[in-house]
Amino acid sequence: GAGVSQSPSNKVTEKGKDVELRCDPISGHTALYWYRQSLGQGLEFLIYFQGNSAPDKSGLPSDRFSAERTGGSVSTLTIQRTQQEDSAVYLCASSAGQASSYEQYFGPGTRLTVT
Amino acid sequence: AQTVTQSQPEMSVQEAETVTLSCTYDTSENNYYLFWYKQPPSRQMILVIRQEAYKQQNATENRFSVNFQKAAKSFSLKISDSQLGDTAMYFCAFTPGNNRKLIWGLGTSLAVNP
Repeated sequence: GAGVSQSPSNKVTEKGKDVELRCDPISGHTALYWYRQSLGQGLEFLIYFQGNSAPDKSGLPSDRFSAERTGGSVSTLTIQRTQQEDSAVYLCASSAGQASSYEQYFGPGTRLTVT
Repeated sequence: AQTVTQSQPEMSVQEAETVTLSCTYDTSENNYYLFWYKQPPSRQMILVIRQEAYKQQNATENRFSVNFQKAAKSFSLKISDSQLGDTAMYFCAFTPGNNRKLIWGLGTSLAVNP
């Protein structure tokens, strides 16, 4: 079946512009995660959605970052007034449940470059 | 603080040989899950193997196996009969307790040479 998809694959934007990154999780998966992977760094947790519960936003680095998940499916990560340090690969993952034992399936990521 | 340390930034191995990637972690939780993920140049993060901390038996998946030492907080990955397609970044990660978010190491870049 279809895996996690993300769009766009690559995004180049000018400093100060807003960007939206999209994630389509695997159908039926109730949990969705956003991570950021900076060059030479490991993955950094950003935000987690589980069903209709309030999202865990504890990893968002600043108030310029926000995310929503509509209808329990597609999610959009928005970065306002982008800065050069926002340049990274943004990975989305989904899982079938909220327990830690559920495998997280990852999308191919969006490479964001802020010039 | 909950952290994951991968002490080998880069490793290489000859095709068909065995290689071990090291990982240590720090947590005060007693129950958690440990993972090894593979990220080839395509950027697609792929689960290689998973270990539940309350299980003493080491997990195995075909050519991949782990050496889990809970007291030492060590979780190494052994790849047997290495193949060219194993060339990738390998990340060690864990989810502590009921927390769903993965905590990641910085990765080990593995090159399998013909």
